Amino acid sequence: AQTVTQSQPEMSVQEAETVTLSCTYDTSESDYYLFWYKQPPSRQMILVIRQEAYKQQNATENRFSVNFQKAAKSFSLKISDSQLGDAAMYFCAYRSGAQGGSEKLVFGKGTKLTVNP
Amino acid sequence: DTGVSQNPRHKITKRGQNVTFRCDPISEHNRLYWYRQTLGQGPEFLTYFQNEAQLEKSRLLSDRFSAERPKGSFSTLEIQRTEQGDSAMYLCASSPALNSPLHFGNGTRLTVT
Repeated sequence: AQTVTQSQPEMSVQEAETVTLSCTYDTSESDYYLFWYKQPPSRQMILVIRQEAYKQQNATENRFSVNFQKAAKSFSLKISDSQLGDAAMYFCAYRSGAQGGSEKLVFGKGTKLTVNP
Repeated sequence: DTGVSQNPRHKITKRGQNVTFRCDPISEHNRLYWYRQTLGQGPEFLTYFQNEAQLEKSRLLSDRFSAERPKGSFSTLEIQRTEQGDSAMYLCASSPALNSPLHFGNGTRLTVT
């Protein structure tokens, strides 16, 4: 079974600074997708960024980028120029890419990010 | 696009009672997912529908849990004979296609006393 581990329960960053959230995963599959989701307090979860395992290029979405190390099974999220609105729980998630495979997302336990003004 | 709607937002019930939650996905999203999130944990997959067909169920979904999606539109999740361990946030998500992002609702928070 696939597992996702987020080793940082909490992180903090100063506004305008850069922070990196860590995620490792375990799988025997070669085809899969990785995601970072953001869950603000009392608000719905939204997708931040996603990475296809077959793509070597790291995904980027504006101030958010990932460092995908397939051999090390590592998938970290870098937030540049942090803003107060970035404060939230961040979840790393895995989904199988196998044809006919499970469509479920496997989530880590999350990292609570605090942004200090 | 009004987003994924879940009702009720909060439910408090006594142990042993039955509860039912409703999820209205984004219109024309054929995929609908249920997750459960307990305090300090990430969401855990419960079940998934493609249109009206329930295609995958987690082993977490005991015999006391049942989900339906009649006519492939809204979905209901029922928990019979609730236990204190059922207290959690129940999240619904929908997507229009396999490789499209999931859109989550605000969830239904269940407290079993």
